Amino acid sequence: NAGVTQTPKFQVLKTGQSMTLQCAQDMNHEYMSWYRQDPGMGLRLIHYSVGAGITDQGEVPNGYNVSRSTTEDFPLRLLSAAPSQTSVYFCASTPVGHNSPLHFGNGTRLTVT
Amino acid sequence: KQEVTQIPAALSVPEGENLVLNCSFTDSAIYNLQWFRQDPGKGLTSLLLIQSSQREQTSGRLNASLDKSSGRSTLYIAASQPGDSATYLCAVRDNFNKFYFGSGTKLNVKP
Repeated sequence: NAGVTQTPKFQVLKTGQSMTLQCAQDMNHEYMSWYRQDPGMGLRLIHYSVGAGITDQGEVPNGYNVSRSTTEDFPLRLLSAAPSQTSVYFCASTPVGHNSPLHFGNGTRLTVT
Repeated sequence: KQEVTQIPAALSVPEGENLVLNCSFTDSAIYNLQWFRQDPGKGLTSLLLIQSSQREQTSGRLNASLDKSSGRSTLYIAASQPGDSATYLCAVRDNFNKFYFGSGTKLNVKP
């Protein structure tokens, strides 16, 4: 009964380093998405996907890349980390075309120094 | 661009009180609206989902209403308990699979 799994839980990067945040879901959801949560600003959509091979930009996509090669996985890549990317990142999934709830992972807390 | 606002940002009430959390949105062309609960250091848990054609949804002590034409939703919590202390967020899903979140209401229920 895993649901949405995010790894790692915590990460510290130096400016300019790259890394990938992992997200996997076992509910066969077509829709997957990434958000960042900053104090006082709620969650903002970074990128989303409605199925394998399909991705699109959200509200704050700059500095982030995604790909969707399988239904289960939706990794988020930071190519050159910046201090402005210090945040808590959440992955979420839901079926497409249904009024179903959005299911969230427990988040990754990223600090860029 | 859809904007979602939640008022108040924080709320402290004594145990047993009934309370109302507010959510407003600027574009009425929505697919659905959801209310979430977030505990410190955790992800979001969906509480209630209201489809765009619905007016309200109920689950236990929680009741959420939706007035799409005026761009408002309320979450009513009856007989609040200390275990209800958390941050409550609302989110609207548009017709293009994008979700827009409010910044949340931090609720503290005092024993």
